[in-house]
Amino acid sequence: AQTVTQSQPEMSVQEAETVTLSCTYDTSESDYYLFWYKQPPSRQMILVIRQEAYKQQNATENRFSVNFQKAAKSFSLKISDSQLGDAAMYFCAYRSAGGGADGLTFGKGTHLIIQP
Amino acid sequence: SAVISQKPSRDICQRGTSLTIQCQVDSQVTMMFWYRQQPGQSLTLIATANQGSEATYESGFVIDKFPISRPNLTFSTLTVSNMSPEDSSIYLCSVERDRAGEQYFGPGTRLTVT
Repeated sequence: AQTVTQSQPEMSVQEAETVTLSCTYDTSESDYYLFWYKQPPSRQMILVIRQEAYKQQNATENRFSVNFQKAAKSFSLKISDSQLGDAAMYFCAYRSAGGGADGLTFGKGTHLIIQP
Repeated sequence: SAVISQKPSRDICQRGTSLTIQCQVDSQVTMMFWYRQQPGQSLTLIATANQGSEATYESGFVIDKFPISRPNLTFSTLTVSNMSPEDSSIYLCSVERDRAGEQYFGPGTRLTVT
C-alpha cells in the first residue's frame, strides 16, 4: 500500500515571501500521479497542481511549482509571492496510474498561515 | 474541471439513525468516489462508486454501514447507517474526468451525530 507523509503540521510565511511545503511518499509502483490540493476554511478541496511520475520536468502553475524527486520519493510544493488567499490546509496526494478506478491517498496536511 | 453539488450541506442527526448524502455532477463521468474527513484530519477513501455494479470498498469500510448507489453516470448517494458520534465527519464525493488521475471534489457534507 502507498503512504504519503507530510512532516510539517504547520508553516508560516510573510506575505509576498516564498514558502516550500514538504511531502514524501512510499510506493513500489513506477507509474503514478502526485497532486497538491488546497482546502481553505470553506472546506472545498481545490486542485493546485498535478505531476505525472514519468515526466521529469517539474510542473508549474503560475505562482505554484513543485520539486519532484522520483528517486528520493519527494514531492515538495513551492508557493512564490505568497498571498493572503493562499492561507489554507494543503494536502499532498498520490494516485496509482495502473488503469483501475483508484482513489487518492492523502497525507495528513500542512496548515499554511500567511502573515500580513 | 466539473461542477459538483452535494445535498445536504450539513446535518445534525441522532445516534442510531441513517442519513443519505447525494452527489450530482454536471456531466457524465466514469469514476466517482466517496471520502471521509474526520475532524482535524485528512481525507480517507471510503469507496469507489461503480455505475451498474456494487461499490468497491476500502479496508475498514463495509457496505452495511456505508451503502452506496450509482444509478447513472452523473449521480451517486452515500448512506451513513446506524450512526454513532464517531461518524461525525465531513463526507465528500469526487469525480475523475478530463486528464487521468485528476479528481474534483464536491463541497462536502458536514455531519454531526449527537
